[in-house]
Amino acid sequence: KAGVTQTPRYLIKTRGQQVTLSCSPISGHRSVSWYQQTPGQGLQFLFEYFSETQRNKGNFPGRFSGRQFSNSRSEMNVSTLELGDSALYLCASSLKGDRGANTEAFFGQGTRLTVV
Amino acid sequence: SQQGEEDPQALSIQEGENATMNCSYKTSINNLQWYRQNSGRGLVHLILIRSNEREKHSGRLRVTLDTSKKSSSLLITASRAADTASYFCATDPLNDYKLSFGAGTTVTVRA
Repeated sequence: KAGVTQTPRYLIKTRGQQVTLSCSPISGHRSVSWYQQTPGQGLQFLFEYFSETQRNKGNFPGRFSGRQFSNSRSEMNVSTLELGDSALYLCASSLKGDRGANTEAFFGQGTRLTVV
Repeated sequence: SQQGEEDPQALSIQEGENATMNCSYKTSINNLQWYRQNSGRGLVHLILIRSNEREKHSGRLRVTLDTSKKSSSLLITASRAADTASYFCATDPLNDYKLSFGAGTTVTVRA
């Protein structure tokens, strides 16, 4: 079965621009989460979607937004890019429905965003 | 802020030796998971231990969980060069939908 697919793999943008990253989860997975990974801050949670609903959001400014489509594919958008947004953006999918469910997350290879 | 803290930050061992890394966390959890990341790529799930379990094995991996001390350890036995990677613990809190990751331990296995 195909894994989690993130596109594009690499992206270079200029300060002030906006960017959209895409994530296709494993077939049957309805939960999709996004994480930002930087050398200084480690892996930081951005948001989680389940059946097109955002169930949780991390501590990021409103410039970071996301959505999930009816086929569970997800996109995240960052507007007015800043140099500090340069990071590896990771998407993960899982079967997690209820809070108490014990399920693992499957990660994509990530999108490496560089803001210049 | 991150839920888990890992120790040590970095570890260098000889092939064939064992590697042990520890993770401490702050709040009540549903389970704790360990992931491996090779050089800036995606994370790979290694093992999940539930809050009511104390020890779990998977191949050369052994994980322990002490919920009273809010800590976990990951032991990799008979390490190989291919085990060179960063290892992260992630806590799955009781009342939330996110995984909170530690800062990771970078393991280097020398041939």
